[in-house]
Amino acid sequence: DGGITQSPKYLFRKEGQNVTLSCEQNLNHDAMYWYRQDPGQGLRLIYYSQIVNDFQKGDIAEGYSVSREKKESFPLTVTSAQKNPTAFYLCASSGRAGYTFGSGTRLTVV
Amino acid sequence: SQQGEEDPQALSIQEGENATMNCSYKTSINNLQWYRQNSGRGLVHLILIRSNEREKHSGRLRVTLDTSKKSSSLLITASRAADTASYFCATDKSGAGNQFYFGTGTSLTVIP
Repeated sequence: DGGITQSPKYLFRKEGQNVTLSCEQNLNHDAMYWYRQDPGQGLRLIYYSQIVNDFQKGDIAEGYSVSREKKESFPLTVTSAQKNPTAFYLCASSGRAGYTFGSGTRLTVV
Repeated sequence: SQQGEEDPQALSIQEGENATMNCSYKTSINNLQWYRQNSGRGLVHLILIRSNEREKHSGRLRVTLDTSKKSSSLLITASRAADTASYFCATDKSGAGNQFYFGTGTSLTVIP
């Protein structure tokens, strides 16, 4: 089955630590995206990549970094510079019919 | 910057009733999509409507698009308890490639 896999499902981070969220897709999609969702809120775009080795900042890129070394993979690093990282993170890829989303990673700062 | 805004923010109906959600957006679009999100899960694509289409159906879903008013509506007919979820519209921006902007969503509760 084609789809997007995000891992881990739950992640706890101590203040000052960097953490990396994994996103893998086997849909052969060129474009991939990271969104952040806060409780009761819509999705805000962090970073997106339309092709391997290229990515662009979204609306809330500060404190985050990404890489796109392979078509299938688009990991997101939440750095210590992100002051309020507790949120639900969603990865997506897009094809002709729209976005396909992963099941999300819930990050909590402890 | 969010392009789409859904209305109402929350909606509660009895099973069997119809549910209507609206989405307004600001700039010209190529297409508009509706997604559903169950609590704590990813979003699931429901339907895509292109800017040259006015209405589209998929099962119990009916989507309309009025580009002159920059608005869309999602109608769920004969609602079921399993339809309880948040519903989001997503719009692209003409010329912005594959980038989509999501609204804040409508939280639908269907009471059995």
